[in-house]
Amino acid sequence: EVQLVESGGGLVQPGGSLRLSCAASGFTFSSYWMSWVRQAPGKGLEWVANIKQDGSEKYYVDSVKGRFTISRDNAKNSLYLQMNSLRAEDTAVYYCASLRRWAFDIWGQGTMVTVSS
Amino acid sequence: QTVVTQEPSFSVSPGGTVTLTCGLSSGSVSTSYYPSWYQQTPGQAPRTLIYSTNTRSSGVPDRFSGSILGNKAALTITGAQADDESDYHCVLFMGSGWVFGGGTKLTVL
Repeated sequence: EVQLVESGGGLVQPGGSLRLSCAASGFTFSSYWMSWVRQAPGKGLEWVANIKQDGSEKYYVDSVKGRFTISRDNAKNSLYLQMNSLRAEDTAVYYCASLRRWAFDIWGQGTMVTVSS
Repeated sequence: QTVVTQEPSFSVSPGGTVTLTCGLSSGSVSTSYYPSWYQQTPGQAPRTLIYSTNTRSSGVPDRFSGSILGNKAALTITGAQADDESDYHCVLFMGSGWVFGGGTKLTVL
């Protein structure tokens, strides 16, 4: 079964850090660009970051540049998002998704990140 | 700043046809933006419906179709069913990243 499973979400204070993980199974993870997409409570979706198959290219939405880092470990079929200097406006469900033909293809179930004191 | 526009809400009668649109605050949407569409019900992850303007994702019924209508991308649902009641999100590829619209809440009644 093709699957993406996120983990690592939780409650963190403003200015804190969190590392999200996404475990892939059922497809050749190393062949796909991967991405993170988030959704604040009651809001629409927002693309956060994406990474090339070999990790050599990474792109970020302006609001997270310099604070978030996307990475991957193809040997472990895993995608990561290191989030530093977290702000209240980063509160959201974070989804990992594979990319295919310039679109989000397979989606995980999401992990909730809450930034609050 | 690029803003992707969608109707905030729409309603359709069961069995009816509805077209949701995805536009730009400035300019026209073309196939070069690779518009894609996603369906989402409350508490669930998005489900991919359409990519590259008009290609249905695996398992998506053919009553969902994508196109360019005028200066916007469009998602048409033909023969709407009760379980089509969902939020629909479009996204456009902007070269180095993606911008989502605000989503359309579709009611089937």
